[in-house]
Amino acid sequence: DAGVIQSPRHEVTEMGQEVTLRCKPISGHDYLFWYRQTMMRGLELLIYFNNNVPIDDSGMPEDRFSAKMPNASFSTLKIQPSEPRDSAVYFCASIGVSWGPMSEQYFGPGTRLTVT
Amino acid sequence: SQELEQSPQSLIVQEGKNLTINCTSSKTLYGLYWYKQKYGEGLIFLMMLQKGGEEKSHEKITAKLDEKKQQSSLHITASQPSHAGIYLCGAFVPGTYKYIFGTGTRLKVLA
Repeated sequence: DAGVIQSPRHEVTEMGQEVTLRCKPISGHDYLFWYRQTMMRGLELLIYFNNNVPIDDSGMPEDRFSAKMPNASFSTLKIQPSEPRDSAVYFCASIGVSWGPMSEQYFGPGTRLTVT
Repeated sequence: SQELEQSPQSLIVQEGKNLTINCTSSKTLYGLYWYKQKYGEGLIFLMMLQKGGEEKSHEKITAKLDEKKQQSSLHITASQPSHAGIYLCGAFVPGTYKYIFGTGTRLKVLA
């Protein structure tokens, strides 16, 4: 398996524009997580899905952020409108059906977002 | 809410030196994970500890979980430049399906 795939790897956009980040989890994994990493706040969980259903979105900063998982192999994180403070590295991670205290997450390479 | 604190926040060591990174939880841990992140890349799983007093090793990296399961340490023996990066501890929050991560430790190894 190619691992968790994220696109784009880098995104530079102007304030006010819509940004869409994409993630393809590892085949067969039934949990998908979106994280944001900044120097100030470290690695923060934004939202996670189980079997394509959003379970907890309490980490989503505000209404400008939305995430979807239309099927088991694809998820998007959208920011509309984007702001400079959204600049960060966004990671997607997935876990297989044996998930629990015994399982580790597999991370994608991340999308580095810069909002000017 | 459960939090994970790591210390030190950053570390610069000379190649060949030993070092230790600590991770302390505000509540009992039911599984503690260590990850390594190279600058600009994703996280790579190192090892997981579950039982109090458990110790695991991989190459020159050893991780331990204390008996009370509230503190873990990561020890690197004879550090090399390839060990440089950010080390993060992570844990499953009991009663939820959330993972939380520590604040991270940035390690630099001077050749």
